[in-house]
Amino acid sequence: DVKVTQSSRYLVKRTGEKVFLECVQDMDHENMFWYRQDPGLGLRLIYFSYDVKMKEKGDIPEGYSVSREKKERFSLILESASTNQTSMYLCASSLVVANTEAFFGQGTRLTVV
Amino acid sequence: RKEVEQDPGPFNVPEGATVAFNCTYSNSASQSFFWYRQDCRKEPKLLMSVYSSGNEDGRFTAQLNRASQYISLLIRDSKLSDSATYLCVVLPTNKLIFGTGTLLAVQP
Repeated sequence: DVKVTQSSRYLVKRTGEKVFLECVQDMDHENMFWYRQDPGLGLRLIYFSYDVKMKEKGDIPEGYSVSREKKERFSLILESASTNQTSMYLCASSLVVANTEAFFGQGTRLTVV
Repeated sequence: RKEVEQDPGPFNVPEGATVAFNCTYSNSASQSFFWYRQDCRKEPKLLMSVYSSGNEDGRFTAQLNRASQYISLLIRDSKLSDSATYLCVVLPTNKLIFGTGTLLAVQP
């Protein structure tokens, strides 16, 4: 059974904290993605990675960075959390080949207070 | 202009109805297209891929119109269990671009 696992389901952090969201996949997928999902805005791509140590900015990378030191793990970092980063964060992975399914983790609901 | 646009709905339909969703995309070089389904408080899951010739999976039919740059999803004989948000997804390069989703509520 394919699996994408996000480290936390719910997280509450204070403004200014450095926040790490971890995502691990066990399918040997090349591509990994981080999205945030907000009401009325849908899923917006923050960063994606198509190989180890490779990353590309998505549509809303400001305030975020990522790390992919190993193929199975893709971390999203909020350098200094702000209240407007309160959101649902979803990690996904897929093979590099087109027309293949992307698999999502269960999501992390982050609240910044 | 957004890369992928969908009518957010909600679409409120009675059981047994036929309902159709459209989704337009801006990048004419896009090669892969999908419909995902997302239940409340759950992660999105693949419903079906969309092929150039159109494809059907039971009560669900997906179509692609490259000339007009839109994809569609038709659901026949709606069930209560079809209530969810339907997301269209476009793959212009290596990254997946999602529409904002269309909320479907099937009423008894």
